[in-house]
Amino acid sequence: EDKVVQSPLSLVVHEGDTVTLNCSYEVTNFRSLLWYKQEKKAPTFLFMLTSSGIEKKSGRLSSILDKKELSSILNITATQTGDSAIYLCAAFSGAGSYQLTFGKGTKLSVIP
Amino acid sequence: NAGVTQTPKFQVLKTGQSMTLQCAQDMNHEYMSWYRQDPGMGLRLIHYSVGAGITDQGEVPNGYNVSRSTTEDFPLRLLSAAPSQTSVYFCASKIGTGARENTIYFGEGSWLTVV
Repeated sequence: EDKVVQSPLSLVVHEGDTVTLNCSYEVTNFRSLLWYKQEKKAPTFLFMLTSSGIEKKSGRLSSILDKKELSSILNITATQTGDSAIYLCAAFSGAGSYQLTFGKGTKLSVIP
Repeated sequence: NAGVTQTPKFQVLKTGQSMTLQCAQDMNHEYMSWYRQDPGMGLRLIHYSVGAGITDQGEVPNGYNVSRSTTEDFPLRLLSAAPSQTSVYFCASKIGTGARENTIYFGEGSWLTVV
């Protein structure tokens, strides 16, 4: 059974802190890993990672995939209150079923 | 651009009632899926479809039916609603089923309460 595990499940930090969110996966025929940010409504896409060791960056957010360790991290530097959200990690399996398996999410709260 | 449209946004049902959550996308996406999201459980796949006329079960299919008669529409039917089906439901689609086309587009969600 495909599995994605995120840690920590929740995190409270102060504005300006740097945070690292973790995601590990066990999926059949792994193809890619995706990160989403979910505020009040639908998840919004952040990154898609397919190659190990190549960092993707978008502003203060960055992410990298380690296929040897079957894991990924999402870094947020100089956090702001607007970063408060649930961050979801999902692994895409290409084993004929084309399924996206989500982790339970990390709830990040950034306090002023 | 409409993207992925879900209706209704909010619904309250009595136990045993049936209803259909509608999902439509106007991007000619092959792949469509339904997830439910419960506190502490993340997003769990209910059913998915890789094209018109093709559907398959996900992780939590019991109590739900789907059909895909057109590329655009992928309705989710609750046959006999139960309180355990109280959840937020998301429809999602993506262009194709290949590994490169992985940007998933989500609808805005349907909040369902079964009493």
